[in-house]
Amino acid sequence: GAVVSQHPSRVICKSGTSVKIECRSLDFQATTMFWYRQFPKKSLMLMATSNEGSKATYEQGVEKDKFLINHASLTLSTLTVTSAHPEDSSFYICSARDGLGTSGVYEQYFGPGTRLTVT
Amino acid sequence: AQSVAQPEDQVNVAEGNPLTVKCTYSVSGNPYLFWYVQYPNRGLQFLLKYITGDNLVKGSYGFEAEFNKSQTSFHLKKPSALVSDSALYFCAVRDGGMRFGAGTRLTVKP
Repeated sequence: GAVVSQHPSRVICKSGTSVKIECRSLDFQATTMFWYRQFPKKSLMLMATSNEGSKATYEQGVEKDKFLINHASLTLSTLTVTSAHPEDSSFYICSARDGLGTSGVYEQYFGPGTRLTVT
Repeated sequence: AQSVAQPEDQVNVAEGNPLTVKCTYSVSGNPYLFWYVQYPNRGLQFLLKYITGDNLVKGSYGFEAEFNKSQTSFHLKKPSALVSDSALYFCAVRDGGMRFGAGTRLTVKP
C-alpha cells in the first residue's frame, strides 16, 4: 500500500523558535496533502489543505502566518510552525491524496504523526 | 458542512463479546465514511470505508460497519472483541480533507 512518512517523529523546541515538519509520499505522487492537529486525548482537526504549486487553503480559525505550508513538489509538503509557543504543542499528522483509482475515488493515506513539544 | 458524531466517549466490553462503536453522520449528498483506529502515541490506521454499494462493509482485523441511510448511522462492529482491540476509534467523513468525530475509547477487558 501507499506510504506516507513524516519527519521528525518527535521534536522539542524552545519558545519563540520555528520548527519545520516534513510530509512525504514515498511511492506515489500527491497533488494534495492535508495537515491535521490533534490535542491530547482529543480528535483530529483539519488545519489546511496543501496543493502542489499553489497556496494552501486554511480552515477557519487557523493562523496562516503561524502555520506556514509549502507544497513544492508532488511528494513533499512542509508545515513550519513559526515563533512557536507552548500552546502550539500538539501531535501533527499529515495525509496525502493519490490519484483517482479504478473506482473513480481517490484514497488518502496518513503519516505516522509528529509530536511537537514547545518548552 | 459535512460532519460525524460519536455519541460515546468510552465503550467497555468483555473479551469475546461483540462490540459496537457508534457513529452518526450529517452530510449533503452521498457520504464517504471511514473508520480509523489509533493506538497510544501512534498515527491512524485505516479500518474500513463506505463509498457506495453494499451497506455492510468489511474491513481490517475482523471489523465491519453498516451504512444505514434512514438512521444516518455508520456503526463499527466486531463479533468477538479482543483485548488488543483496546484503542481510540475515529469515525470520519471525507469533505476534501477528513472531518473526524470526537473519538471513542474502546476498552476490552479480559
